[in-house]
Amino acid sequence: QKEVEQNSGPLSVPEGAIASLNCTYSDRGSQSFFWYRQYSGKSPELIMFIYSNGDKEDGRFTAQLNKASQYVSLLIRDSQPSDSATYLCAVKSGSYIPTFGRGTSLIVHP
Amino acid sequence: NAGVMQNPRHLVRRRGQEARLRCSPMKGHSHVYWYRQLPEEGLKFMVYLQKENIIDESGMPKERFSAEFPKEGPSILRIQQVVRGDSAAYFCASSPTSDNEQFFGPGTRLTVL
Repeated sequence: QKEVEQNSGPLSVPEGAIASLNCTYSDRGSQSFFWYRQYSGKSPELIMFIYSNGDKEDGRFTAQLNKASQYVSLLIRDSQPSDSATYLCAVKSGSYIPTFGRGTSLIVHP
Repeated sequence: NAGVMQNPRHLVRRRGQEARLRCSPMKGHSHVYWYRQLPEEGLKFMVYLQKENIIDESGMPKERFSAEFPKEGPSILRIQQVVRGDSAAYFCASSPTSDNEQFFGPGTRLTVL
């Protein structure tokens, strides 16, 4: 049974701070890792994907992958109230179907 | 470049009726995935289809649920004899190949009275 674990939160950070969202996974064969943002009542929106160990940066977002520790994280720099949403981690191994975590709720307060 | 389209956006059915949910993938995408999301829960995979083929339906309930992706037209998720527990948001996603990231449609919110 492939599992993807996320702390449900809410994670509350002040505006301008760094938000750190974490995800662990059980399948050592996992190869592809995705972060989606989902606003309340809306559909998931792809933010980033990462395949290799290390960091991948895109604007204010940085994805970090550590396959040895089976850990992937998303850092949001200079957090804004508009970043308040639920962040879903998704992990794919050899199958076509990603396994989604239940998401972490992020609240950025002014 | 239009994204993934789903209709209807909201659907209300009475117990025992049928629900038909439609999904048109992004242009150039031939892989379609259906997910269900209950309030405060994660996305649950239901079925993965390519044109005219069901590739993986391991997440589909064995009864009342079916899906298709015909050669022409949208993918359809069909729920027969709906029950209150079927009330949820149903999302469709598409990708150009099975290895690529998935892009989600706006979802259909099904309410069963």
